[in-house]
Amino acid sequence: AQKITQTQPGMFVQEKEAVTLDCTYDTSDPSYGLFWYKQPSSGEMIFLIYQGSYDQQNATEGRYSLNFQKARKSANLVISASQLGDSAMYFCAMREGGDSSYKLIFGSGTRLLVRP
Amino acid sequence: GAVVSQHPSRVICKSGTSVKIECRSLDFQATTMFWYRQFPKQSLMLMATSNEGSKATYEQGVEKDKFLINHASLTLSTLTVTSAHPEDSSFYICSAAPEKGPGRTYGYTFGSGTRLTVV
Repeated sequence: AQKITQTQPGMFVQEKEAVTLDCTYDTSDPSYGLFWYKQPSSGEMIFLIYQGSYDQQNATEGRYSLNFQKARKSANLVISASQLGDSAMYFCAMREGGDSSYKLIFGSGTRLLVRP
Repeated sequence: GAVVSQHPSRVICKSGTSVKIECRSLDFQATTMFWYRQFPKQSLMLMATSNEGSKATYEQGVEKDKFLINHASLTLSTLTVTSAHPEDSSFYICSAAPEKGPGRTYGYTFGSGTRLTVV
């Protein structure tokens, strides 16, 4: 069964507008972590934002925020004020368990294209 | 911040030869490293978890004898693709979590990846 689901293979957004990238997850572990990574065409994985399962507030990092809805098991990434440099693949990932020695499982990714 | 150095970044090898990919944590000790494989326009698929001083744990469907992983020190893990064939051509990327510190929760540091082409 898919543990991390990203239903949007590709998304377009106009420069300076906000965009939401969807991510749902499936786990029975009460302790888990959710991550978003950006992968430009160079292939490097750039960490964007993290949300712990016990965190009371939604995570924010600059223009990135995570809309964490625990009951719905969703962890959508919101990018505000999109920039041309935001064009890339975006991956949602989950770590089950509270320790980072646990493996990260990735969703299928969403390709975001920012239009000028 | 934490840095993982991965090399080579690109390698082309002949079918039947072996290729070694190195991942080195530069400013922290990585007890655990992870090796991923990524086909074009696809997601990262976890191949194995590499633990310092012990045998790697492979994901289902990954051939242990094909993809040899060694994690001999807290700063170095290697992936050797043995008897490579064209179907092994892919992007291989490693990641590590720092042994201590905030990175332990916040992020896994990734290497820059290795693009392997087997001809």
